[in-house]
Amino acid sequence: AQTVTQSQPEMSVQEAETVTLSCTYDTSESNYYLFWYKQPPSRQMILVIRQEAYKQQNATENRFSVNFQKAAKSFSLKISDSQLGDTAMYFCAFKGSGGSNYKLTFGKGTLLTVNP
Amino acid sequence: EPEVTQTPSHQVTQMGQEVILRCVPISNHLYFYWYRQILGQKVEFLVSFYNNEISEKSEIFDDQFSVERPDGSNFTLKIRSTKLEDSAMYFCAYKGLSGQYFGPGTRLTVT
Repeated sequence: AQTVTQSQPEMSVQEAETVTLSCTYDTSESNYYLFWYKQPPSRQMILVIRQEAYKQQNATENRFSVNFQKAAKSFSLKISDSQLGDTAMYFCAFKGSGGSNYKLTFGKGTLLTVNP
Repeated sequence: EPEVTQTPSHQVTQMGQEVILRCVPISNHLYFYWYRQILGQKVEFLVSFYNNEISEKSEIFDDQFSVERPDGSNFTLKIRSTKLEDSAMYFCAYKGLSGQYFGPGTRLTVT
């Protein structure tokens, strides 16, 4: 079974600075997908970014980018130019690509606070 | 904006009662999922649904749970006899271009 570990329960950053959230995972599959979701106080789950394991290039979405290290099974999220609206829980998630791998497996989350 | 809505936004029920949570797609989607999130904990997969059939379910999704799409539009999650530990946010999600997109959730409180 796949597991996803987020070792930082809480982090804080000053507005306009850069912060990196860590995620590691365990799987025996060679192809899979990794995601970061944001959950603001409204509790809506918002898809931030996706990475396919077969792609060597790290995904980027505006101020959000990932550092995907397949051999180390590491998938960190970098937020540049942090904004107050980035304050939220951030969840790392894994999805297999074969067979009946429909489900997302989530980590426990990291609570990010952006301070003015 | 999510392409599914969920009703109700908040449901309070007594232990042992049946509840039905609804997910209403705005656009045509084929794959749907239900997840739950107990307060302060991680999001957990319950069930996936494709072409009017369950395609995968977790160990949480026991006989107390059922899903259906009765009218080809609304996608429902039924809990037959609620327990205190069923109190959680319940999210419907659909498969989109980049991954799974979540609805706004239903907060279920069992008293």
